[in-house]
Amino acid sequence: KQEVTQIPAALSVPEGENLVLNCSFTDSAIYNLQWFRQDPGKGLTSLLLIQSSQREQTSGRLNASLDKSSGRSTLYIAASQPGDSATYLCAVRQGGSEKLVFGKGMKLTVNP
Amino acid sequence: NAGVMQNPRHLVRRRGQEARLRCSPMKGHSHVYWYRQLPEEGLKFMVYLQKENIIDESGMPKERFSAEFPKEGPSILRIQQVVRGDSAAYFCASSPSRGTFTWELFFGEGSRLTVL
Repeated sequence: KQEVTQIPAALSVPEGENLVLNCSFTDSAIYNLQWFRQDPGKGLTSLLLIQSSQREQTSGRLNASLDKSSGRSTLYIAASQPGDSATYLCAVRQGGSEKLVFGKGMKLTVNP
Repeated sequence: NAGVMQNPRHLVRRRGQEARLRCSPMKGHSHVYWYRQLPEEGLKFMVYLQKENIIDESGMPKERFSAEFPKEGPSILRIQQVVRGDSAAYFCASSPSRGTFTWELFFGEGSRLTVL
């Protein structure tokens, strides 16, 4: 059974720092991995999607890497801003499955 | 191109009543998924539907919960005889057909059910 873990559960940093958010999964037979952002009381916004054959994806200040063999993904946020404050969720789609398995998320607070 | 639309955004029900949550997928998307987010928990898969078919309902409680995605109209998640433990945020997501390589999911804003 696939399990997705995000540690730490919360992080508070001053503005301007470069951040590393971690995601680990137990079964490496994944189809893809998706990073989401969730603001309080809101839905999920897709940030980046990495196919199992890819090593990384970039969008603006965000860069996500995938190491399938070790069961890890990392989301890098460069030059963090208060507007980046949100909960970040990692989810994997298992090969041959329609479901996304989510981690519990990491609540990020960027202080001005 | 409107995103995934869910309504109502907030729903309050008393124990024993029925809750109906609606989801209209993004234009051109034929796959719909329902997920539930309990307080302090991650999102959990409930059901996956294509038009007029339930493909995978392995995450759906066996009793009181049902889902449909008719040929015309939105997908409906129905919860009968609600209990306090059903209080949660229910999210709908949609994706294009399998022919699309990325199979990326797009989520709605969610429907927040409170059972009194």
